Amino acid sequence: ETGVTQTPRHLVMGMTNKKSLKCEQHLGHNAMYWYKQSAKKPLELMFVYNFKEQTENNSVPSRFSPECPNSSHLFLHLHTLQPEDSALYLCASSQDTGEGYTFGSGTRLTVV
Amino acid sequence: GDSVTQMEGPVTLSEEAFLTINCTYTATGYPSLFWYVQYPGEGLQLLLKATKADDKGSNKGFEATYRKETTSFHLEKGSVQVSDSAVYFCALRFSGNTPLVFGKGTRLSVIA
Repeated sequence: ETGVTQTPRHLVMGMTNKKSLKCEQHLGHNAMYWYKQSAKKPLELMFVYNFKEQTENNSVPSRFSPECPNSSHLFLHLHTLQPEDSALYLCASSQDTGEGYTFGSGTRLTVV
Repeated sequence: GDSVTQMEGPVTLSEEAFLTINCTYTATGYPSLFWYVQYPGEGLQLLLKATKADDKGSNKGFEATYRKETTSFHLEKGSVQVSDSAVYFCALRFSGNTPLVFGKGTRLSVIA
């Protein structure tokens, strides 16, 4: 149990589908993050939320839409994805104290 | 900007061999330093950390010492096991609402 739970663990979706990834933490952290991890590429920071407010969006295409309804939950809404969006999507949380992040186990997404 | 450089992988070792994975960083100031490990099919887990110069982080037989003079945080283990096969990420972070900066990761394969 990592303290950060991601669902689903695996997702296969067509390019015209709409789906959502969910992340939940009950560690009392005030920041949450979405990362994309593709084969043979560095970790890519996608979005950052601090106290439910989005503070960073690293030029992510609009087909990815984050939502943070409260400091414990984070969603990533997916719409009309491309095959190159297939990757492991990782959620993490942290405090703003310079400590490290706690990661979830990730959602393995395959776009067909 | 701040950055982390890790040795290129993959690294292949026999069981009980000595492991070193080099990590150097570039930053203005004195960040906290971290090593994360990612086992196959999982998210990243914090392995160890150090928050100031000359601190030594240790966990599960792994060690790393924060060297300010060489801006390094090399990961070492005296005797690796097959179960240590994973991808290892070096990272830095400053306090406050600043994101973790990751290296590209180093894949370690340990063979029996």
